[in-house]
Amino acid sequence: GAVVSQHPSWVICKSGTSVKIECRSLDFQATTMFWYRQFPKQSLMLMATSNEGSKATYEQGVEKDKFLINHASLTLSTLTVTSAHPEDSSFYICSARDFGVEQYFGPGTRLTVT
Amino acid sequence: TQLLEQSPQFLSIQEGENLTVYCNSSSVFSSLQWYRQEPGEGPVLLVTVVTGGEVKKLKRLTFQFGDARKDSSLHITAAQTGDTGLYLCARTGTASKLTFGTGTRLQVTL
Repeated sequence: GAVVSQHPSWVICKSGTSVKIECRSLDFQATTMFWYRQFPKQSLMLMATSNEGSKATYEQGVEKDKFLINHASLTLSTLTVTSAHPEDSSFYICSARDFGVEQYFGPGTRLTVT
Repeated sequence: TQLLEQSPQFLSIQEGENLTVYCNSSSVFSSLQWYRQEPGEGPVLLVTVVTGGEVKKLKRLTFQFGDARKDSSLHITAAQTGDTGLYLCARTGTASKLTFGTGTRLQVTL
């Protein structure tokens, strides 16, 4: 149980285009989903917290107009990187939480912007 | 931002050796978690510690939470190549947000 999937697992896009990443909780309802970014050889940094049906809360320094987060249902959250640039290339990981404290992590999405 | 410093940053050892990874903070943790992450995958929870002085064992892994709840350690006995990965400590904050440590990259070779 407690499986979280992400799609796509990897994506390459051209600079200036937008990319959407999906995060799904497969066997539970996620009241809260979290989005993290991880640069090579570094740790995970929380980008934003999304609760179903409400606006996402962004961490300091994360541009909300660039990283659009939608949590339209209890099993799906999406992260859209708008007008992507090479410096947005990173490993994006989501996690989901039900009514407990533990977060269940997705397998990550590697984004490369050329 | 309350940083979690991990040491060492990188560790390369041979199979069969023992090792210890440390996680330190200047502030008190309400609880602390340890994760292991393999390349190209999300982190996987190993353990959660909540009580000062607590020791938990998971096969060859021993986790200790400091008495003052400001530090924690992960000890691996007789490391195996399958233990290779990035080890991360994380504290739980408000709204269940996780703040991850700086990470320790472990490489175990034959």
